[in-house]
Amino acid sequence: DARVTQTPRHKVTEMGQEVTMRCQPILGHNTVFWYRQTMMQGLELLAYFRNRAPLDDSGMPKDRFSAEMPDATLATLKIQPSEPRDSAVYFCASGLVIGAGATEAFFGQGTRLTVV
Amino acid sequence: AQKVTQAQTEISVVEKEDVTLDCVYETRDTTYYLFWYKQPPSGELVFLIRRNSFDEQNEISGRYSWNFQKSTSSFNFTITASQVVDSAVYFCALSEGSKAAGNKLTFGGGTRVLVKP
Repeated sequence: DARVTQTPRHKVTEMGQEVTMRCQPILGHNTVFWYRQTMMQGLELLAYFRNRAPLDDSGMPKDRFSAEMPDATLATLKIQPSEPRDSAVYFCASGLVIGAGATEAFFGQGTRLTVV
Repeated sequence: AQKVTQAQTEISVVEKEDVTLDCVYETRDTTYYLFWYKQPPSGELVFLIRRNSFDEQNEISGRYSWNFQKSTSSFNFTITASQVVDSAVYFCALSEGSKAAGNKLTFGGGTRVLVKP
């Protein structure tokens, strides 16, 4: 049963610390998304990749957030330094895009981040 | 720019009632994709359906049905004979097909459905 795997599931950290969230997309998917979910803002797109190359990271605060795909089986989202306002659930999703066609995106279970 | 609006923030029904969730979208692309996702209290986002812009045929899957109308830019979702397990937040989403858009997925604000026994 193919699924997107995110680690850790929960993270509590102190303000100023570095946080790294990891995502293993579904094998064969060429598109990876990072979303953040908060009560106030809903689901916000932070960044996404196609064939490991960043397509759009305009939703991400550049001064503290960074997203990478070191290889096809791993996507990472880092926050350095973390702040209390970063507290949210971070979702990774993967999908397959061929030409102008798109499949549905499958989501991981999310990482619940609390910055104190 | 693409946009999805779910005007209903919360709907409360009694079990066995039908419930319809509205979704209105905006896009300039002629090729696009519409989705519905369910987020139960456990928190994960579960894919329910995908619809292509060139296929306006309505779809039924068990107690779920979807009504896609390009003329009104709407993609509404109906749960028939609701059950307590249907209690969740439901998200409508849009993906534009143009190369410029990059097929990114834009979500509406979600509608919380509470089904009471």
